[in-house]
Amino acid sequence: AQSVTQPDIHITVSEGASLELRCNYSYGATPYLFWYVQSPGQGLQLLLKYFSGDTLVQGIKGFEAEFKRSQSSFNLRKPSVHWSDAAEYFCAVAPYSGGGADGLTFGKGTHLIIQP
Amino acid sequence: DTEVTQTPKHLVMGMTNKKSLKCEQHMGHRAMYWYKQKAKKPPELMFVYSYEKLSINESVPSRFSPECPNSSLLNLHLHALQPEDSALYLCASSQDQGASEKLFFGSGTQLSVL
Repeated sequence: AQSVTQPDIHITVSEGASLELRCNYSYGATPYLFWYVQSPGQGLQLLLKYFSGDTLVQGIKGFEAEFKRSQSSFNLRKPSVHWSDAAEYFCAVAPYSGGGADGLTFGKGTHLIIQP
Repeated sequence: DTEVTQTPKHLVMGMTNKKSLKCEQHMGHRAMYWYKQKAKKPPELMFVYSYEKLSINESVPSRFSPECPNSSLLNLHLHALQPEDSALYLCASSQDQGASEKLFFGSGTQLSVL
């Protein structure tokens, strides 16, 4: 069964500084990988996803993520954060073959705090 | 229209009440989902409907009863809930039920059971 680990429960970053949120997955093959963001009291919004091809994926709101097979990682980055980026970020994995979106496994989330 | 609309946004109910949560999307998506999310936790899948048929029930107690009247609507009927059922209930939809599908989430219904 696949699993996702987000090692950082909380991250505090100054506005304008760069950001990297870590995600490690465990799966027998290359899975589908996703990053979702959730603002307080809201649903989740997809930032980006990776299936195959170029290992550097561009998403919405200036986010990007890099898939590294050797490290089983899919870290999320942003060069300069804005106060509006404060939210909960979830990494998720789905099996490459078989199953469906119901097979999506979420990490426990990283809470991003932006300091002025 | 790329929205998933959930009503009500907030709901307070007693343990003997019967209430329903509603979810609507007009994107032509054929898969719809109910998730439960406790505070500071990731969403947990409850039910999946695909082409208006229940395809996944993640061993959810019978006090939660899903219904999909048509391809645009998804309901969650609640009866005799427990205080531990208090949570944010999220509806989501996707074009299909494939593993690669992007999920579109509603803003959720914050449920409190007294």
